[in-house]
Amino acid sequence: DVKVTQSSRYLVKRTGEKVFLECVQDMDHENMFWYRQDPGLGLRLIYFSYDVKMKEKGDIPEGYSVSREKKERFSLILESASTNQTSMYLCASSLIGVSYNEQFFGPGTRLTVL
Amino acid sequence: GQNIDQPTEMTATEGAIVQINCTYQTSGFNGLFWYQQHAGEAPTFLSYNVLDGLEEKGRFSSFLSRSKGYSYLLLKELQMKDSASYLCAVRDTGGSGGYNKLIFGAGTRLAVHP
Repeated sequence: DVKVTQSSRYLVKRTGEKVFLECVQDMDHENMFWYRQDPGLGLRLIYFSYDVKMKEKGDIPEGYSVSREKKERFSLILESASTNQTSMYLCASSLIGVSYNEQFFGPGTRLTVL
Repeated sequence: GQNIDQPTEMTATEGAIVQINCTYQTSGFNGLFWYQQHAGEAPTFLSYNVLDGLEEKGRFSSFLSRSKGYSYLLLKELQMKDSASYLCAVRDTGGSGGYNKLIFGAGTRLAVHP
């Protein structure tokens, strides 16, 4: 069964803290993505990666960085958390070079920054 | 610019049929996805259209008109468990490494009443 897992379902951090969100997929997918989801705005792409050590900025990369050292793992880093980064964070993965490249999503991490 | 519009909320009665519309304007187009997302859960793939016409999958059907920038998701024989948000997403062309960016609408929250 297809599986994308995220390290935490709920996380509470303080302003200025460094925050790591981890995502692991067991489907040998090349592509991995980080989105944030806010009411009324839908899913917005933060960063994505199409291969190990490769990364590209999405629509809203400011205040975030990513790391992909292994194919199955994609980490999102908030260097200095701020209250406007309170959100639901969703990780997804997909195959490369397939006609429809369906994205499989993890359960999400609801991050609150105080 | 890039824009995807869908209604914010809809209500329907158990056993009825409901149509959720999606209009899009993107710089490129390589397919349209519909995802279902129950509250507090990850989005799950429902359908994919890349050519004009209707794709049927059980109680769910999805239609695409590329010339009009329009799609709809049709849900028949509604059940209470169909209460969820429905996300329309367009795969834009471009990007590197075989990746095509997904642009999501804000989602339509469907409430099914007895």
